[in-house]
Amino acid sequence: GAVVSQHPSRVICKSGTSVKIECRSLDFQATTMFWYRQFPKKSLMLMATSNEGSKATYEQGVEKDKFLINHASLTLSTLTVTSAHPEDSSFYICSARVTRQPVNTEAFFGQGTRLTVV
Amino acid sequence: AQSVTQLDSQVPVFEEAPVELRCNYSSSVSVYLFWYVQYPNQGLQLLLKYLSGSTLVKGINGFEAEFNKSQTSFHLRKPSVHISDTAEYFCAVSEGSGGSNYKLTFGKGTLLTVNP
Repeated sequence: GAVVSQHPSRVICKSGTSVKIECRSLDFQATTMFWYRQFPKKSLMLMATSNEGSKATYEQGVEKDKFLINHASLTLSTLTVTSAHPEDSSFYICSARVTRQPVNTEAFFGQGTRLTVV
Repeated sequence: AQSVTQLDSQVPVFEEAPVELRCNYSSSVSVYLFWYVQYPNQGLQLLLKYLSGSTLVKGINGFEAEFNKSQTSFHLRKPSVHISDTAEYFCAVSEGSGGSNYKLTFGKGTLLTVNP
């Protein structure tokens, strides 16, 4: 299957700093990328949907000014956690799929990023 | 709006025993259904998916699932599990025909633990 690379896999940052997480589709063009947050022993919570070249659509309750998403190219989306606090510590996962014709209905997931804010 | 219910948060089984992980969904439109597996500190890997056609879907690692429209279920089965099948399993649904950008809604997951 297609490969989605997420970087870094782990990051520790100080409270108040910003952290950028990258999500790349290595062998296909991802017109849509999704960002999820996963709490310990919990399901994946969709944070936002980003389409290449346009603003991300955030789910209810997700602060768009805190979680900045950029999808500037068909192979790269970034999530920046701004002014991170300990409560932002979590496992963040991106996924990518082709949504323009011919449509691929499968979503490919990155390996995830474990963010720890101290 | 869609929702997914995974009825069991944890399922312990012995090696070589059969297993069924249950999943029920609700949706007002046609759906696509998926099962994903997640190993610790990793992303999700697709096990199988139902888009249309035959209701019995076979996936990787010997897993299969059956779509039952009348019961709105998509239970995952494996006839004989291995220690290496120990992982978290997620059932997910998206709108068919491209609704909502094929956004996935996940269940809460079922931790399958295979004991020797």
